[in-house]
Amino acid sequence: GDSVTQMEGPVTLSEEAFLTINCTYTATGYPSLFWYVQYPGEGLQLLLKATKADDKGSNKGFEATYRKETTSFHLEKGSVQVSDSAVYFCALCTSGTYKYIFGTGTRLKVLA
Amino acid sequence: KAGVTQTPRYLIKTRGQQVTLSCSPISGHRSVSWYQQTPGQGLQFLFEYFSETQRNKGNFPGRFSGRQFSNSRSEMNVSTLELGDSALYLCASTYDGGRNQPQHFGDGTRLSIL
Repeated sequence: GDSVTQMEGPVTLSEEAFLTINCTYTATGYPSLFWYVQYPGEGLQLLLKATKADDKGSNKGFEATYRKETTSFHLEKGSVQVSDSAVYFCALCTSGTYKYIFGTGTRLKVLA
Repeated sequence: KAGVTQTPRYLIKTRGQQVTLSCSPISGHRSVSWYQQTPGQGLQFLFEYFSETQRNKGNFPGRFSGRQFSNSRSEMNVSTLELGDSALYLCASTYDGGRNQPQHFGDGTRLSIL
């Protein structure tokens, strides 16, 4: 079946450091890919998405590129802030399944 | 535009009891999905409803069931509660469940089993 694998956390970085959170997937069909973020005490919210190969999703300084050849959708940010501390989830949805598959989440902690 | 509303926010039950959770999707959204979130397992898909029909379900025992009403509101029921059912239960909605549509999540119902 379809699956999403994220790097284990927690990830601890200093403010202004470069961030990469790895995400790889397996899917029987052609999925859309998403990154969601859960800030402390808040609900899950969409961060960015990409719906076809080579698409780049971006929001709030975060970026991720849909790489079909490597089945990856790694999340990057050039300079993290303390306010980026949260749990990040990679997810996919394949046409006709009506089912979103989520990774286990990666906790990011940014230190001032 | 109001977001996804889940009630109640917190529930405490004992083993063997049953519980019903409610979800009202964003106005105009007809697809409602349910997830169980636990620290070790992340988000596990429970089921998805569209136009009162369950279109997909995850790998959960039959104690977990759901339904959707004609106004797209959805309920989830868990019978014969077990300690392992303690979790945050999240509801999410989209217009029709198409793969390009991001899910909009409610704040969840935190269920604790004593």
